[in-house]
Amino acid sequence: GAVVSQHPSRVICKSGTSVKIECRSLDFQATTMFWYRQFPKKSLMLMATSNEGSKATYEQGVEKDKFLINHASLTLSTLTVTSAHPEDSSFYICSVSRVDNEQFFGPGTRLTVL
Amino acid sequence: EDQVTQSPEALRLQEGESSSLNCSYTVSGLRGLFWYRQDPGKGPEFLFTLYSAGEEKEKERLKATLTKKESFLHITAPKPEDSATYLCAVQGGSEKLVFGKGTKLTVNP
Repeated sequence: GAVVSQHPSRVICKSGTSVKIECRSLDFQATTMFWYRQFPKKSLMLMATSNEGSKATYEQGVEKDKFLINHASLTLSTLTVTSAHPEDSSFYICSVSRVDNEQFFGPGTRLTVL
Repeated sequence: EDQVTQSPEALRLQEGESSSLNCSYTVSGLRGLFWYRQDPGKGPEFLFTLYSAGEEKEKERLKATLTKKESFLHITAPKPEDSATYLCAVQGGSEKLVFGKGTKLTVNP
């Protein structure tokens, strides 16, 4: 069965609105979750590492005020795309890291900003 | 800087035609090399983790091997349902995964 869930699977919004994406670890508690972005026919690009109870660590070039991450519990991390614009349209995927270092990915969220 | 290069970018096979996908890597202190399968519009599906040179793992028609510089994903007698993009990633000193660009495999019936 699925180890990681994401909600919503698809979202279409108008430019300037904010969108929240949830990532849940279903099978185990995750102190660390990861958020990735994937453009069409491209590989995954790590955006940030989400740590339960502390601030997220963002990769170089990722705007932390644009992409707000909250890891409020051991099973839930959220990514909020603030004031979304068409260039933010992408496939967003989260992953959770198990104690043996294996990472399991969610099904992804397709964001389209009009 | 950790780097992963996958080849070929795309591979077309006939059903039953075995082949291998390559993943070359450079990493500072390998903690693990990962193989994932990704179908269009979906998140990556975990296949294997390899931790040290010489290690091999198998799952159905897939077999992953690891050396100090590269990993191979061998596909034996593939079926059309094996068509997907196969991603390789390495984990170095941190928990972060560095991905290659993937190999898009198409298996024709």
